[in-house]
Amino acid sequence: AQTVTQSQPEMSVQEAETVTLSCTYDTSENNYYLFWYKQPPSRQMILVIRQEAYKQQNATENRFSVNFQKAAKSFSLKISDSQLGDTAMYFCAFMKLSGTASKLTFGTGTRLQVTL
Amino acid sequence: EAGVTQFPSHSVIEKGQTVTLRCDPISGHDNLYWYRRVMGKEIKFLLHFVKESKQDESGMPNNRFLAERTGGTYSTLKVQPAELEDSGVYFCASRHHTNTGELFFGEGSRLTVL
Repeated sequence: AQTVTQSQPEMSVQEAETVTLSCTYDTSENNYYLFWYKQPPSRQMILVIRQEAYKQQNATENRFSVNFQKAAKSFSLKISDSQLGDTAMYFCAFMKLSGTASKLTFGTGTRLQVTL
Repeated sequence: EAGVTQFPSHSVIEKGQTVTLRCDPISGHDNLYWYRRVMGKEIKFLLHFVKESKQDESGMPNNRFLAERTGGTYSTLKVQPAELEDSGVYFCASRHHTNTGELFFGEGSRLTVL
C-alpha cells in the first residue's frame, strides 16, 4: 500500500516571498503520478501541479514548481512570489498507473497562510 | 462547463438517522470517486465507479455505507444508521477516461453526526 506524508501541518509566508511545502511517499511501484492539490477556504479542491514519475524533469506551472526526487521518494512544492490567493490547504497525492483501477492516496495536508 | 456538484453542502443529523449525499459529476466523466476527510486527518478513499460499476470499494468503512450510481450518471452515498465517527467532509470527484491522473473535485458535503 502507498502512503503519503506531509510533515508540516501549518505554514505561513509573507506576500511575495517563496515557500516550500514538503511531501514524502512510500511505494514499491515504478510508474505513478504525483500531484499537489489546493483547497481554498470553502471552495473545491483544484489541481495545482502534476508530475509523472518517469519524467526526470521537474514540473512547473507558472509560480508553482516541484522538486521531485524519485530515489528519495520526495516531492516538494515551491511557491514563488506568494500571493494572498495562495492561502489554502495543500494536499500531496499519489496515484499508481494501473489501467482503470486508479485512485489518489492523499497526505494529511498543509495549511498555508499568506500574510501581508 | 459545470463542475462536480455535491448536495447537501452541510448536513447535521442525530446518531442513528439516515443521510444521503449526492454527487453530480462533470458530464461525460465515467470515473467517479468518493473520498472522506475526518477532521485533521488525511483524505481517505472510499470507492470508485466506472460508469455504473463499482471498480474499487475497498475504502468503504462498513456495511452502513451504501453507494450507488444508477445509469452511470449521478451517484449517491447513503449512511444508515449514522454513527458519531461518520462525521467529516465527503468529497466526490470525477475523471474522464482519457485523462490519466487529474480528478475534478466537488466542494464536499460536510456531515455532522450528533
